[in-house]
Amino acid sequence: DAGVIQSPRHEVTEMGQEVTLRCKPISGHNSLFWYRQTMMRGLELLIYFNNNVPIDDSGMPEDRFSAKMPNASFSTLKIQPSEPRDSAVYFCATSRGQDYGYTFGSGTRLTVV
Amino acid sequence: GESVGLHLPTLSVQEGDNSIINCAYSNSASDYFIWYKQESGKGPQFIIDIRSNMDKRQGQRVTVLLNKTVKHLSLQIAATQPGDSAVYFCAENTGTASKLTFGTGTRLQVTL
Repeated sequence: DAGVIQSPRHEVTEMGQEVTLRCKPISGHNSLFWYRQTMMRGLELLIYFNNNVPIDDSGMPEDRFSAKMPNASFSTLKIQPSEPRDSAVYFCATSRGQDYGYTFGSGTRLTVV
Repeated sequence: GESVGLHLPTLSVQEGDNSIINCAYSNSASDYFIWYKQESGKGPQFIIDIRSNMDKRQGQRVTVLLNKTVKHLSLQIAATQPGDSAVYFCAENTGTASKLTFGTGTRLQVTL
């Protein structure tokens, strides 16, 4: 099992550019979570999906952020336009469901200059 | 100007000693708890979990204790090793879907 796969591992982009982060969940995991981690705020839940359906996006900071899960094996988190304050490590995590722990990906370190 | 970040509590332990990391949770309805370990540059990694119908669970060198009366969770690491140096997070599930709520974390530093 390759685990949760995130790409890219690192992204450096200029302010105003569009950024797309990608996640491939573990096969059979039907819940997927996007987190952001910063020194200021720690781990913040942005959005999560159950069976490809967005359940709670209350953590998405602004309309500049959007997430999709077109099928059970792929999800994207998009920031358009990006701003320097979006710089953080973004984690994707997946789970088999309630009462199971999450498996985290290795994260994408985003730097917006 | 100087940046201000989360002030993580830090536990410094000598190699070979036992470590105890504590966590207070807020929701009395939480019924599932997990400890995660995050090493520098990596994602959080599952260590051990416990359900609310238990008060103790043991793994390899780790033990989790749950006190529901005072809403307190602890992680004990026996014979702490340099590789245990990391930030440790507790997480709770209130039973609402699969959503976990994470604590702010504790940094464990193992000295030689």
